[in-house]
Amino acid sequence: NAGVTQTPKFRVLKTGQSMTLLCAQDMNHEYMYWYRQDPGMGLRLIHYSVGEGTTAKGEVPDGYNVSRLKKQNFLLGLESAAPSQTSVYFCASSYRSDFSYTFGSGTRLTVV
Amino acid sequence: AQKVTQAQTEISVVEKEDVTLDCVYETRDTTYYLFWYKQPPSGELVFLIRRNSFDEQNEISGRYSWNFQKSTSSFNFTITASQVVDSAVYFCALSEGTSGTYKYIFGTGTRLKVLA
Repeated sequence: NAGVTQTPKFRVLKTGQSMTLLCAQDMNHEYMYWYRQDPGMGLRLIHYSVGEGTTAKGEVPDGYNVSRLKKQNFLLGLESAAPSQTSVYFCASSYRSDFSYTFGSGTRLTVV
Repeated sequence: AQKVTQAQTEISVVEKEDVTLDCVYETRDTTYYLFWYKQPPSGELVFLIRRNSFDEQNEISGRYSWNFQKSTSSFNFTITASQVVDSAVYFCALSEGTSGTYKYIFGTGTRLKVLA
Protein backbone atom coordinates (compact mmCIF):
# COMPACT_ATOMS: atom_id res chain seq x y z
CA ASN A 1 0.00 0.00 0.00
CA ALA A 2 1.23 3.48 -0.83
CA GLY A 3 2.12 5.61 2.11
CA VAL A 4 4.76 6.67 4.57
CA THR A 5 6.84 4.09 6.38
CA GLN A 6 8.82 4.86 9.51
CA THR A 7 11.47 2.67 11.06
CA PRO A 8 11.95 1.72 13.81
CA LYS A 9 8.60 1.79 15.59
CA PHE A 10 10.09 1.69 19.08
CA ARG A 11 13.51 2.45 20.47
CA VAL A 12 15.12 2.93 23.85
CA LEU A 13 18.36 4.91 23.98
CA LYS A 14 20.74 5.77 26.73
CA THR A 15 21.64 9.40 27.24
CA GLY A 16 24.41 10.37 24.86
CA GLN A 17 23.77 7.63 22.31
CA SER A 18 23.01 8.45 18.71
CA MET A 19 20.46 7.08 16.31
CA THR A 20 18.78 7.69 12.98
CA LEU A 21 15.09 7.46 12.24
CA LEU A 22 14.19 6.58 8.68
CA CYS A 23 11.15 7.82 6.80
CA ALA A 24 10.30 6.50 3.36
CA GLN A 25 7.42 7.50 1.09
CA ASP A 26 6.39 6.02 -2.23
CA MET A 27 3.96 8.72 -3.39
CA ASN A 28 6.56 10.88 -5.15
CA HIS A 29 5.85 13.72 -2.74
CA GLU A 30 8.15 16.72 -2.81
CA TYR A 31 7.59 17.81 0.77
CA MET A 32 8.55 15.82 3.84
CA TYR A 33 8.39 16.70 7.52
CA TRP A 34 9.47 15.46 10.92
CA TYR A 35 7.28 16.22 13.94
CA ARG A 36 7.45 15.30 17.56
CA GLN A 37 4.34 14.74 19.66
CA ASP A 38 4.41 15.35 23.38
CA PRO A 39 1.49 15.20 25.84
CA GLY A 40 -0.45 18.45 25.93
CA MET A 41 1.69 20.08 23.25
CA GLY A 42 0.27 18.77 20.02
CA LEU A 43 2.67 18.19 17.17
CA ARG A 44 5.68 20.42 16.72
CA LEU A 45 7.72 20.67 13.56
CA ILE A 46 11.36 19.69 13.90
CA HIS A 47 12.70 19.93 10.34
CA TYR A 48 11.24 19.78 6.90
CA SER A 49 12.30 19.41 3.29
CA VAL A 50 10.86 20.99 0.15
CA GLY A 51 12.63 18.61 -2.21
CA GLU A 52 15.55 16.28 -2.72
CA GLY A 53 18.75 17.73 -1.32
CA THR A 54 17.01 20.46 0.69
CA THR A 55 16.29 20.76 4.40
CA ALA A 56 15.07 23.54 6.66
CA LYS A 57 14.54 24.11 10.36
CA GLY A 58 11.15 23.98 11.96
CA GLU A 59 9.93 25.07 15.35
CA VAL A 60 12.10 22.81 17.54
CA PRO A 61 15.25 21.86 15.57
CA ASP A 62 17.86 21.85 18.34
CA GLY A 63 19.49 18.50 18.96
CA TYR A 64 18.37 17.05 15.62
CA ASN A 65 19.79 16.84 12.14
CA VAL A 66 18.17 15.70 8.90
CA SER A 67 19.11 14.66 5.41
CA ARG A 68 17.18 14.18 2.17
CA LEU A 69 19.63 12.57 -0.21
CA LYS A 70 16.87 10.79 -2.11
CA LYS A 71 13.43 12.16 -2.81
CA GLN A 72 11.69 9.23 -1.18
CA ASN A 73 13.71 9.23 2.06
CA PHE A 74 13.97 11.70 4.91
CA LEU A 75 16.29 10.82 7.78
CA LEU A 76 16.16 12.29 11.27
CA GLY A 77 19.31 12.00 13.37
CA LEU A 78 19.95 12.44 17.05
CA GLU A 79 23.67 12.88 17.62
CA SER A 80 23.64 12.78 21.41
CA ALA A 81 20.28 11.79 22.81
CA ALA A 82 18.89 13.54 25.87
CA PRO A 83 15.92 12.59 28.09
CA SER A 84 14.10 15.69 26.77
CA GLN A 85 14.00 13.98 23.39
CA THR A 86 11.77 11.24 24.72
CA SER A 87 8.75 11.59 22.48
CA VAL A 88 6.73 10.10 19.66
CA TYR A 89 8.14 11.11 16.29
CA PHE A 90 6.03 11.36 13.18
CA CYS A 91 7.13 11.71 9.63
CA ALA A 92 4.78 13.13 7.04
CA SER A 93 4.81 13.93 3.37
CA SER A 94 2.72 16.00 0.99
CA TYR A 95 2.48 16.72 -2.72
CA ARG A 96 2.32 20.46 -2.08
CA SER A 97 2.96 22.31 1.15
CA ASP A 98 -0.64 23.55 1.31
CA PHE A 99 -2.10 20.08 0.77
CA SER A 100 -3.01 17.49 3.35
CA TYR A 101 -0.25 15.41 4.85
CA THR A 102 0.15 11.65 4.85
CA PHE A 103 1.65 10.56 8.13
CA GLY A 104 3.71 7.56 9.08
CA SER A 105 2.69 5.40 12.02
CA GLY A 106 5.18 7.00 14.38
CA THR A 107 8.31 6.06 16.32
CA ARG A 108 8.15 5.94 20.10
CA LEU A 109 11.57 6.93 21.43
CA THR A 110 12.56 6.74 25.07
CA VAL A 111 15.85 8.20 26.26
CA VAL A 112 16.93 7.00 29.69
CA ALA B 1 1.96 35.01 14.78
CA GLN B 2 -0.11 32.04 13.84
CA LYS B 3 -1.77 30.07 16.59
CA VAL B 4 -4.36 27.34 16.94
CA THR B 5 -6.34 26.90 20.13
CA GLN B 6 -8.32 23.82 21.01
CA ALA B 7 -9.60 24.76 24.42
CA GLN B 8 -11.33 21.45 25.07
CA THR B 9 -8.71 19.07 26.36
CA GLU B 10 -11.04 16.12 26.78
CA ILE B 11 -14.71 15.49 26.07
CA SER B 12 -16.78 12.47 27.07
CA VAL B 13 -20.13 11.71 25.52
CA VAL B 14 -22.49 8.78 25.45
CA GLU B 15 -22.93 6.97 22.18
CA LYS B 16 -25.45 8.59 19.81
CA GLU B 17 -24.97 12.05 21.30
CA ASP B 18 -23.84 14.89 19.07
CA VAL B 19 -20.54 16.54 19.94
CA THR B 20 -18.75 19.66 18.71
CA LEU B 21 -15.01 20.12 18.86
CA ASP B 22 -13.89 23.73 18.88
CA CYS B 23 -10.97 25.21 17.00
CA VAL B 24 -9.99 28.87 17.08
CA TYR B 25 -7.08 30.18 15.04
CA GLU B 26 -5.02 33.32 14.65
CA THR B 27 -3.27 34.41 11.49
CA ARG B 28 -2.31 37.61 9.71
CA ASP B 29 -2.44 36.06 6.26
CA THR B 30 -5.44 36.34 3.98
CA THR B 31 -4.63 33.03 2.32
CA TYR B 32 -4.43 30.07 4.61
CA TYR B 33 -5.71 26.54 5.02
CA LEU B 34 -7.37 24.77 7.88
CA PHE B 35 -7.33 21.05 8.55
CA TRP B 36 -8.69 18.45 10.91
CA TYR B 37 -6.88 15.21 11.65
CA LYS B 38 -7.95 12.22 13.70
CA GLN B 39 -5.58 10.17 15.84
CA PRO B 40 -7.27 6.95 16.99
CA PRO B 41 -5.82 4.85 19.83
CA SER B 42 -3.66 3.00 17.31
CA GLY B 43 -1.65 6.19 16.96
CA GLU B 44 -1.61 7.07 13.28
CA LEU B 45 -2.86 10.48 12.13
CA VAL B 46 -5.63 10.45 9.58
CA PHE B 47 -6.61 13.41 7.43
CA LEU B 48 -10.27 14.42 7.67
CA ILE B 49 -10.74 17.74 5.89
CA ARG B 50 -8.96 20.69 4.29
CA ARG B 51 -10.55 24.10 3.88
CA ASN B 52 -9.08 27.21 2.29
CA SER B 53 -9.64 30.68 3.66
CA PHE B 54 -11.77 31.78 0.74
CA ASP B 55 -14.34 29.04 1.08
CA GLU B 56 -16.64 29.58 4.04
CA GLN B 57 -19.22 27.04 3.03
CA ASN B 58 -19.97 24.48 5.67
CA GLU B 59 -19.22 20.92 4.75
CA ILE B 60 -20.94 17.69 5.64
CA SER B 61 -19.54 14.22 5.16
CA GLY B 62 -21.74 11.53 6.59
CA ARG B 63 -21.92 12.06 10.36
CA TYR B 64 -19.16 14.69 10.22
CA SER B 65 -19.71 18.38 9.58
CA TRP B 66 -17.48 21.42 9.72
CA ASN B 67 -18.44 25.02 10.39
CA PHE B 68 -15.91 27.59 9.17
CA GLN B 69 -16.51 31.17 10.31
CA LYS B 70 -13.90 33.77 9.42
CA SER B 71 -15.69 36.41 11.50
CA THR B 72 -14.89 34.48 14.66
CA SER B 73 -11.73 32.74 13.35
CA SER B 74 -13.21 29.38 14.11
CA PHE B 75 -13.33 26.04 12.34
CA ASN B 76 -15.47 23.76 14.47
CA PHE B 77 -16.06 20.08 13.92
CA THR B 78 -19.32 18.33 14.79
CA ILE B 79 -19.92 14.61 14.97
CA THR B 80 -23.57 13.66 14.80
CA ALA B 81 -24.81 10.49 16.52
CA SER B 82 -21.37 9.67 17.88
CA GLN B 83 -20.10 6.11 17.90
CA VAL B 84 -17.49 4.34 19.99
CA VAL B 85 -15.23 4.21 16.93
CA ASP B 86 -15.11 8.02 16.99
CA SER B 87 -13.06 7.86 20.18
CA ALA B 88 -9.76 9.50 19.29
CA VAL B 89 -7.70 12.63 19.66
CA TYR B 90 -8.67 15.23 17.10
CA PHE B 91 -6.24 17.89 15.94
CA CYS B 92 -7.02 21.13 14.21
CA ALA B 93 -4.21 22.66 12.14
CA LEU B 94 -3.57 25.95 10.39
CA SER B 95 -1.30 26.23 7.39
CA GLU B 96 -0.07 29.56 6.15
CA GLY B 97 2.73 30.33 3.79
CA THR B 98 5.72 32.57 3.87
CA SER B 99 8.09 32.56 0.93
CA GLY B 100 5.77 30.15 -0.83
CA THR B 101 6.14 27.25 1.57
CA TYR B 102 3.24 26.48 3.84
CA LYS B 103 3.79 24.99 7.27
CA TYR B 104 1.32 23.66 9.74
CA ILE B 105 0.69 24.82 13.25
CA PHE B 106 -1.24 22.20 15.18
CA GLY B 107 -3.54 22.73 18.09
CA THR B 108 -2.92 20.69 21.22
CA GLY B 109 -5.74 18.31 20.38
CA THR B 110 -9.06 17.31 21.91
CA ARG B 111 -9.45 13.80 23.25
CA LEU B 112 -12.95 12.50 22.55
CA LYS B 113 -14.25 9.54 24.49
CA VAL B 114 -17.48 8.01 23.31
CA LEU B 115 -18.97 5.69 25.88
CA ALA B 116 -21.18 2.78 24.94
